[in-house]
Amino acid sequence: DSGVTQTPKHLITATGQRVTLRCSPRSGDLSVYWYQQSLDQGLQFLIQYYNGEERAKGNILERFSAQQFPDLHSELNLSSLELGDSALYFCASSVAGQPSDTQYFGPGTRLTVL
Amino acid sequence: AQSVTQLDSQVPVFEEAPVELRCNYSSSVSVYLFWYVQYPNQGLQLLLKYLSGSTLVESINGFEAEFNKSQTSFHLRKPSVHISDTAEYFCAVKRTGANNLFFGTGTRLTVIP
Repeated sequence: DSGVTQTPKHLITATGQRVTLRCSPRSGDLSVYWYQQSLDQGLQFLIQYYNGEERAKGNILERFSAQQFPDLHSELNLSSLELGDSALYFCASSVAGQPSDTQYFGPGTRLTVL
Repeated sequence: AQSVTQLDSQVPVFEEAPVELRCNYSSSVSVYLFWYVQYPNQGLQLLLKYLSGSTLVESINGFEAEFNKSQTSFHLRKPSVHISDTAEYFCAVKRTGANNLFFGTGTRLTVIP
């Protein structure tokens, strides 16, 4: 158990809908990262937050957005969902968001778009 | 830009045999290197990492990896595998000045009894 929690574990929804994925980092970690794991794209970095501020952005679609709240939990919002958004979404956290920090991954949320 | 290549998508090996999972990376700047393991229906767990110093790094469960700068490789090895090592293994690279990890496509290790 990494100490990173993600809810829900599974999510099934329809095209065009909007969903919110939630992540609680390890106790004491200030930085949160979101990754998407799909069959065709593999594991891709989406976005990073550090202490409430956006720190780095990867291949995140404009339909997707994220935020980190004062209690350091983070939410990833996916809107206007398409079939291709079906994937496993991982959250990771690290102590200070430094490049040398280890990122600890949560168990993931499996999103299925029908 | 960074990229990671894991040439072997699947590696079957008999129990107690040695194994090597290959990882090559390309980057024009200094990098940190990582191996993560993903057991079925679980998240990724850090296996080992290279930041600096000794080029040979070890994990607590018998895996080791060697950073070879000239060959831009970070191959993962274990002298004797167990059934419990069956999992997907991901090599990842991070630019020393950045925070996001770039992952390879993964190698599925299957240990055969």
